[in-house]
Amino acid sequence: SAVISQKPSRDICQRGTSLTIQCQVDSQVTMMFWYRQQPGQSLTLIATANQGSEATYESGFVIDKFPISRPNLTFSTLTVSNMSPEDSSIYLCSVAGDRRGNEQFFGPGTRLTVL
Amino acid sequence: AQSVAQPEDQVNVAEGNPLTVKCTYSVSGNPYLFWYVQYPNRGLQFLLKYITGDNLVKGSYGFEAEFNKSQTSFHLKKPSALVSDSALYFCAVSHLTGGGNKLTFGTGTQLKVEL
Repeated sequence: SAVISQKPSRDICQRGTSLTIQCQVDSQVTMMFWYRQQPGQSLTLIATANQGSEATYESGFVIDKFPISRPNLTFSTLTVSNMSPEDSSIYLCSVAGDRRGNEQFFGPGTRLTVL
Repeated sequence: AQSVAQPEDQVNVAEGNPLTVKCTYSVSGNPYLFWYVQYPNRGLQFLLKYITGDNLVKGSYGFEAEFNKSQTSFHLKKPSALVSDSALYFCAVSHLTGGGNKLTFGTGTQLKVEL
């Protein structure tokens, strides 16, 4: 399984600011994903980070709010822009092979609190 | 649309007793099913998956899951629960989208194992 790290592990931010979360993998992977886990809730997929092209966003998530970069096969960033308290969540990145049966492996998450 | 349901928000069991965490699914085509566990302040850990083959799948930490096509279920089981098994458990189904290998998660079941 891949070893995944995220930075920062947690942050407290002011309303209206932006935060960029980094996800680093110890090996090259085809698929990288970003999820949001709101307090007491399940995981919701934000987008698939595609290497060399724009991310693919799920319904309800837009690039202006959650811009994503994927410059290579081991790294991705998610920015949470113009934050509001409703953005307070745990943000997790995950990686997988490109086959449907491949399990995803998750990073430890970034706990974001917006005041 | 693909979906999974976890009908129980919380399951309580005494240490040493068998445990079951329920999951039912709705998919078009063959289901690819997964169980993940989340310990407090940690990311998700992969437990096991069903792709094809034997209906009884064995995974990490002594957990197993039984795939039942007629009942569209994939319940997680363990013969003898430990206090350390107390955590949040998620069932998930995989399906392909234009963005690749996408997971849809259930709402999660909090397992509490007591002495």
